[in-house]
Amino acid sequence: DQQVKQNSPSLSVQEGRISILNCDYTNSMFDYFLWYKKYPAEGPTFLISISSIKDKNEDGRFTVFLNKSAKHLSLHIVPSQPGDSAVYFCAARGSGTYKYIFGTGTRLKVLA
Amino acid sequence: SQTIHQWPATLVQPVGSPLSLECTVEGTSNPNLYWYRQAAGRGLQLLFYSVGIGQISSEVPQNLSASRPQDRQFILSSKKLLLSDSGFYLCAWSRVDRRNTEAFFGQGTRLTVV
Repeated sequence: DQQVKQNSPSLSVQEGRISILNCDYTNSMFDYFLWYKKYPAEGPTFLISISSIKDKNEDGRFTVFLNKSAKHLSLHIVPSQPGDSAVYFCAARGSGTYKYIFGTGTRLKVLA
Repeated sequence: SQTIHQWPATLVQPVGSPLSLECTVEGTSNPNLYWYRQAAGRGLQLLFYSVGIGQISSEVPQNLSASRPQDRQFILSSKKLLLSDSGFYLCAWSRVDRRNTEAFFGQGTRLTVV
């Protein structure tokens, strides 16, 4: 049972444009959501997070939006840069647990 | 500052051989510890997590086990490896003193079972 889903396995965007990565979840007990970036043969690195009491969090070029009623979150990268090319994972953590549940990832390619 | 060490970086093991992957965290006390696996073309699957010494929770029944002999040491083991155990193994830690906090990952171990 995949509680966190990233339905787009890959995405290509032109440099300078906006990248939008999407994530859906099924567990209404999730109250903290995170985005990670991963390069091949490396561990994921944390990008940005959002608590369920908010609907938007911004950090530089990265903005995460949370729609609790739709159980959907998205990561916006503006402007996209070639160095942003990587696999992006969304993750969720449930209220009262210590587990981080990850999605299957979306491979972003930013074209120069 | 906190750091996480995971070794070895790559490992090639024959089917039926034992496995021991080690992870240590420095610069923090009583961290939550995690083992994840990324199989080819798949997401990050949580295998085990630990909230304290000797406390291990298993998420997926499988051929692997985990142990936490010391506060900042987490070990992933197998008595007999299967071909399906191949993958990229990641250790991670998170703080216990803050509710909304991220997990920090090690550099991973690429395990190939042949």
